[in-house]
Amino acid sequence: KAGVTQTPRYLIKTRGQQVTLSCSPISGHRSVSWYQQTPGQGLQFLFEYFSETQRNKGNFPGRFSGRQFSNSRSEMNVSTLELGDSALYLCASSSQGAGELFFGEGSRLTVL
Amino acid sequence: AQSVTQLDSHVSVSEGTPVLLRCNYSSSYSPSLFWYVQHPNKGLQLLLKYTSAATLVKGINGFEAEFKKSETSFHLTKPSAHMSDAAEYFCVVSDRGKGSSNTGKLIFGQGTTLQVKP
Repeated sequence: KAGVTQTPRYLIKTRGQQVTLSCSPISGHRSVSWYQQTPGQGLQFLFEYFSETQRNKGNFPGRFSGRQFSNSRSEMNVSTLELGDSALYLCASSSQGAGELFFGEGSRLTVL
Repeated sequence: AQSVTQLDSHVSVSEGTPVLLRCNYSSSYSPSLFWYVQHPNKGLQLLLKYTSAATLVKGINGFEAEFKKSETSFHLTKPSAHMSDAAEYFCVVSDRGKGSSNTGKLIFGQGTTLQVKP
């Protein structure tokens, strides 16, 4: 069974640009969550989608958005990038969103 | 509100000696607690989970953790460290949604870096 797949793995952007990250969950999983990991703030929850609906949202500005498609694949978008958005963005999936999450290897974003 | 506090940011042990990574939690509900491990440039892997069944939880790679409600602790232990155990470890509590149901929102501790010396 394939794990959680995130693309791209690495990317470099400049301030003011936007970026879209993609996540394919484990087959059969309907919940997808996104996390931001930085050395200073650690792992912080961005949002969770379940059956195409946003079920939970963390304390991030509106520049951070996401969506989930009918096949449970998810994307997150960050607009008007800032230097502080440089981070490892992790996607996780679960069958019911019931706590035990399976993580992808992440997309490492560098903003110059 | 729920939270976890990892008491050590860095732990160093010699190969073959015991490992103890400490975690305290705060929760309004009976918590679901987890330990995840992250190796360099990798995603997070679940080591073990506590979900109100047995208080002593066994995980992968010889790790185990004991849930102690009276001490609000969920410390991670391993009898004998291996070089491959060197990684960052996260104590995690699951946030509860409406109706006390688990959600996909996890609250992470700040992490403990485990160094294993030969």
